[in-house]
Amino acid sequence: EPEVTQTPSHQVTQMGQEVILRCVPISNHLYFYWYRQILGQKVEFLVSFYNNEISEKSEIFDDQFSVERPDGSNFTLKIRSTKLEDSAMYFCASSLLLGQETQYFGPGTRLLVL
Amino acid sequence: RKEVEQDPGPFNVPEGATVAFNCTYSNSASQSFFWYRQDCRKEPKLLMSVYSSGNEDGRFTAQLNRASQYISLLIRDSKLSDSATYLCVVPSEAGTALIFGKGTTLSVSS
Repeated sequence: EPEVTQTPSHQVTQMGQEVILRCVPISNHLYFYWYRQILGQKVEFLVSFYNNEISEKSEIFDDQFSVERPDGSNFTLKIRSTKLEDSAMYFCASSLLLGQETQYFGPGTRLLVL
Repeated sequence: RKEVEQDPGPFNVPEGATVAFNCTYSNSASQSFFWYRQDCRKEPKLLMSVYSSGNEDGRFTAQLNRASQYISLLIRDSKLSDSATYLCVVPSEAGTALIFGKGTTLSVSS
């Protein structure tokens, strides 16, 4: 069964450093998403992406965040200058269609900012 | 009203029990609804989609009441492996994002 993959599984970084989280969505999917989950809290939407453009973003997704699809398979989330409060599990998801459609989640990258 | 509200739990039930979770949502325009399951420190995994009044898949039944903006999930004959957090999920008003509830934790014991 096709699945979303993410690398790395864990990342530890120093406050103020840049991190790039990587995702390979399901191959025929067209829509891509990032979510985060702070430990003990709910899953929160960050951004959706289609046709090399951001479709929707939340208030969390400020200027410190950016997304990119650098080639035909990868989808990345960059955090320019990490803060302690960026420590969370970051999930990538993809879906075949847009709108009210099932999204499939990757296993996540656990980011710890020290 | 918050976008998605769920019973916080935890629900502690014996094997074989029937348990029901409730969820209310604020976006009256939503046409689809989802129940995801999340195991500890893992990704959410789709359990059921609900596009009309309800959906049934084996031991799991989801009911939708649009007038009350209310969704429920019923689990019959609970198994130990059903122990997890169940997430009620609704699309955003713009339609591209999924909005998650805080989840209801279920613990099934032998």
